[in-house]
Amino acid sequence: AQSVAQPEDQVNVAEGNPLTVKCTYSVSGNPYLFWYVQYPNRGLQFLLKYITGDNLVKGSYGFEAEFNKSQTSFHLKKPSALVSDSALYFCAVRDGPGRRALTFGSGTRLQVQP
Amino acid sequence: KAGVTQTPRYLIKTRGQQVTLSCSPISGHRSVSWYQQTPGQGLQFLFEYFSETQRNKGNFPGRFSGRQFSNSRSEMNVSTLELGDSALYLCASGRTGQQETQYFGPGTRLLVL
Repeated sequence: AQSVAQPEDQVNVAEGNPLTVKCTYSVSGNPYLFWYVQYPNRGLQFLLKYITGDNLVKGSYGFEAEFNKSQTSFHLKKPSALVSDSALYFCAVRDGPGRRALTFGSGTRLQVQP
Repeated sequence: KAGVTQTPRYLIKTRGQQVTLSCSPISGHRSVSWYQQTPGQGLQFLFEYFSETQRNKGNFPGRFSGRQFSNSRSEMNVSTLELGDSALYLCASGRTGQQETQYFGPGTRLLVL
């Protein structure tokens, strides 16, 4: 079975500093990995995905993620955090070959202090 | 292009009642998936529909059901509501293919009293 772990419930960072939100995964085949963000009382917004190819994936709002096959990680990063980046971030993996269902991590709350 | 829409946005029901939630996918998307989000269990997959057929189902009791119409719109139904069914129900749509992104709607927040 596929699984995703987000080891940090909350990440605090000062505005202007770089941020990292961690994600590790476990899949039986090739991983299809996604990052979503959720603002209060809203649905999930797609940030970026890794399917194949370049290990550094660039996404929306200046976010990027680095795929590391040997460490089975897909950490989300941003060079300079904004207060408006404060939200709940979810890492997800496609649930097996031929399936479109996503398995989500438990989420990491990002707090960016001014 | 309009995003995924879900109706209603908020719903209050009592135990034992049933509820139907609606989802309209992004134009051109034929796959619709449903997820339940609760503080305790997080985001959990309910089921997925494509071409009016349920393709996959998560680990939920039979009280949870759904369907998809020929225009790709989808509904999910929960019968005999329990307090634990209180959650945010999210619908996501996507194109065909495993590599495709799923785009989520704003959700329907269900409160069972």
